[in-house]
Amino acid sequence: DVKVTQSSRYLVKRTGEKVFLECVQDMDHENMFWYRQDPGLGLRLIYFSYDVKMKEKGDIPEGYSVSREKKERFSLILESASTNQTSMYLCASETTGDHNYGYTFGSGTRLTVV
Amino acid sequence: AQSVTQPDIHITVSEGASLELRCNYSYGATPYLFWYVQSPGQGLQLLLKYFSGDTLVQGIKGFEAEFKRSQSSFNLRKPSVHWSDAAEYFCALTSGGYNKLIFGAGTRLAVHP
Repeated sequence: DVKVTQSSRYLVKRTGEKVFLECVQDMDHENMFWYRQDPGLGLRLIYFSYDVKMKEKGDIPEGYSVSREKKERFSLILESASTNQTSMYLCASETTGDHNYGYTFGSGTRLTVV
Repeated sequence: AQSVTQPDIHITVSEGASLELRCNYSYGATPYLFWYVQSPGQGLQLLLKYFSGDTLVQGIKGFEAEFKRSQSSFNLRKPSVHWSDAAEYFCALTSGGYNKLIFGAGTRLAVHP
């Protein structure tokens, strides 16, 4: 089975700090995604990447950037954390192919910005 | 535009009762459809998915879902709910490839003993 690992389950950061959220997948997938989850809003796509050094903006990219230097690792960066970025962040990796197509999610990182 | 609507924000059922969670979608063709479950503090676990073929799909944990093109719906069902089914459920769609997965707002299920 595909495994997607997010390095931190809980983070508390101060306003203005630069924050890195790390995500690693172990199946050599090309496509990886970062979502933000808020009550009543479901999951919203922040950024995705379809290959090393490639990235595309999702629906809510403002205040975020990403890095994909190696295929297995996709990092989400909050350049200057703000309280409205307090949320649950979920990373996903996409399995392609007709029979196995789908997304595998990490356990999530709950970020609190104070 | 593509979208997913889950009309019920909260649902409460008694243990042993049947369950149906509603999902409606908007998409120009037949999308790939998914149901995920999220237990408190956890990531998302795939329950089932529909791509094509038989419109009634079976998933894990005794769940099933039926794709109805005429109603643009993909409702999730379970004949007898267990207390451990209490969680949040998300319906989602994608057109495949590296197109984004679009989620509904979720339905939170509570189970009374």
